[in-house]
Amino acid sequence: DAGITQSPRHKVTETGTPVTLRCHQTENHRYMYWYRQDPGHGLRLIHYSYGVKDTDKGEVSDGYSVSRSKTEDFLLTLESATSSQTSVYFCAISRTGAANEQFFGPGTRLTVL
Amino acid sequence: GQQVMQIPQYQHVQEGEDFTTYCNSSTTLSNIQWYKQRPGGHPVFLIQLVKSGEVKKQKRLTFQFGEAKKNSSLHITATQTTDVGTYFCAGPSGGTSYGKLTFGQGTILTVHP
Repeated sequence: DAGITQSPRHKVTETGTPVTLRCHQTENHRYMYWYRQDPGHGLRLIHYSYGVKDTDKGEVSDGYSVSRSKTEDFLLTLESATSSQTSVYFCAISRTGAANEQFFGPGTRLTVL
Repeated sequence: GQQVMQIPQYQHVQEGEDFTTYCNSSTTLSNIQWYKQRPGGHPVFLIQLVKSGEVKKQKRLTFQFGEAKKNSSLHITATQTTDVGTYFCAGPSGGTSYGKLTFGQGTILTVHP
């Protein structure tokens, strides 16, 4: 395992409320990623980070923001949650940043009512 | 943008039957990776293929990378109930990489005992 934890593991919230998901790694890797997983869509990249305070958008970034103030933590925020953001969210890290294997956290199941 | 397509989306087999999933990219890939996700779990890296025409085996699993480096396959011989899960292929995303991957939609494998 790559020492990746995600919190919370499950969350139910209401439309319009802000939500923050946390990804924590213990190995000080530079590259971190947030994905969402939905049936029929596989894993889609939301945002990624290539260092402290260095982040960029992925393929499905609308409605999401991220922050990385420390190497070990990568936060994903839904400013105003919508039902379309009901999904399973995975954080991942790359040890090299060379598009080689990624290691995934356990995931957060988010339900927006 | 780059697309990675995977077929079939679902596959139901009887234990002991063989299984194959196929992955096709819209662009030439420098490498292709395969991941397995058990039900309720997170994706776990299986293997990476780099060379044109490369074939790698892991026990009952055989992975192939096409000659044009745009397609790949995963074949499981004599499936077992432990093979149940979703299998994803992934390739490096285009442009400035930062280790980004584009995942296929996944093939969900069900094995009936």
